[in-house]
Amino acid sequence: NAGVTQTPKFQVLKTGQSMTLQCAQDMNHEYMSWYRQDPGMGLRLIHYSVGAGITDQGEVPNGYNVSRSTTEDFPLRLLSAAPSQTSVYFCASSYTSGTRETQYFGPGTRLLVL
Amino acid sequence: SQELEQSPQSLIVQEGKNLTINCTSSKTLYGLYWYKQKYGEGLIFLMMLQKGGEEKSHEKITAKLDEKKQQSSLHITASQPSHAGIYLCGADGNDYKLSFGAGTTVTVRA
Repeated sequence: NAGVTQTPKFQVLKTGQSMTLQCAQDMNHEYMSWYRQDPGMGLRLIHYSVGAGITDQGEVPNGYNVSRSTTEDFPLRLLSAAPSQTSVYFCASSYTSGTRETQYFGPGTRLLVL
Repeated sequence: SQELEQSPQSLIVQEGKNLTINCTSSKTLYGLYWYKQKYGEGLIFLMMLQKGGEEKSHEKITAKLDEKKQQSSLHITASQPSHAGIYLCGADGNDYKLSFGAGTTVTVRA
């Protein structure tokens, strides 16, 4: 198993550009989520999904869109990047629909918005 | 959402010495998770605690959850350079959402 994979590892964007952060898992996990990590603020939940076709907002969803058309993939879209979205983004997954399972994290995507 | 406060924010420990990190919640914890992160890498799961008074150990790391399920501690015995990194606690708010503390940066000096 590759576990949770994220692409790209690094990205530089200009303000107003759009992009999609990719996340995939090969463990047949139902639950997937996206976090952003900023200095001194820990990880904050952006969006999550309890299964294919189902998504919901987390703590900081503004400026981000997600979709879950398959069990394996959970892309995060930035429609119009802003400097405030400069951060490290982590995707995570777990076996069941819920959080009382071990979360498996991807290696992260470092995003810089100029 | 569940607010988690970690302390200390950072610490420096001499190799071979013990250290303790605390994680306090404003609400009852349904599940408390400890993760470790090395700079530039993802999070590695350490332990999960669910029951009041529960204690788990793995190698030189011990995690405890208090009886009231609002506070957890992570204790490392005889620290080694491999223990350096950022330790984060995460909590299950019983609403499909995980909350995380801000993290504690651990530096181990030889």
